[in-house]
Amino acid sequence: DQQVKQNSPSLSVQEGRISILNCDYTNSMFDYFLWYKKYPAEGPTFLISISSIKDKNEDGRFTVFLNKSAKHLSLHIVPSQPGDSAVYFCAASAVTGANNLFFGTGTRLTVIP
Amino acid sequence: KAGVTQTPRYLIKTRGQQVTLSCSPISGHRSVSWYQQTPGQGLQFLFEYFSETQRNKGNFPGRFSGRQFSNSRSEMNVSTLELGDSALYLCASSSETGVGSPLHFGNGTRLTVT
Repeated sequence: DQQVKQNSPSLSVQEGRISILNCDYTNSMFDYFLWYKKYPAEGPTFLISISSIKDKNEDGRFTVFLNKSAKHLSLHIVPSQPGDSAVYFCAASAVTGANNLFFGTGTRLTVIP
Repeated sequence: KAGVTQTPRYLIKTRGQQVTLSCSPISGHRSVSWYQQTPGQGLQFLFEYFSETQRNKGNFPGRFSGRQFSNSRSEMNVSTLELGDSALYLCASSSETGVGSPLHFGNGTRLTVT
């Protein structure tokens, strides 16, 4: 049973515009959420995280929003750049199994120049 | 600092054989986790080792096992290989176990079972 879901397998955005990647989860015990980016033939790279005590975390062009009541989080990339083209994975964990991350199936972002 | 190193990068095995994959974590990292990535399932947690002890285990059969050495290097073993074991196996390390320490992944070992 997939506890973290990314329902959009792919997303295309024009360079300079906003990219919004979405993620839903079902387990209310999750309290730490992360986004990873993955290029072909490389391992996932940590991008940004958010704790459940916050509803927003920003790092440069990347912002993650968390809506606990809806069990939904999103990653905003503004402005999008061609180098952002990659597969983005949403992940979640509970305190007791912090390195036991539950991953979504990923969204392939393509930023069109 | 050197990143997480996984060897080999590619491996082809036959059904019924066994395989051992190796992972060297980032220097100073004591936690090593293993994940399996398949196209349909995404990344799934296999197990985590911290200071040579298995701390957490995912929902995989006993054919999947691992160990960690005193220098934090880790190995993962899969016995009696099945076609469905074909996947990218990713190792990740972190400085400590606990929330707030993002995992740093290696580039993975691509295992093909024929």
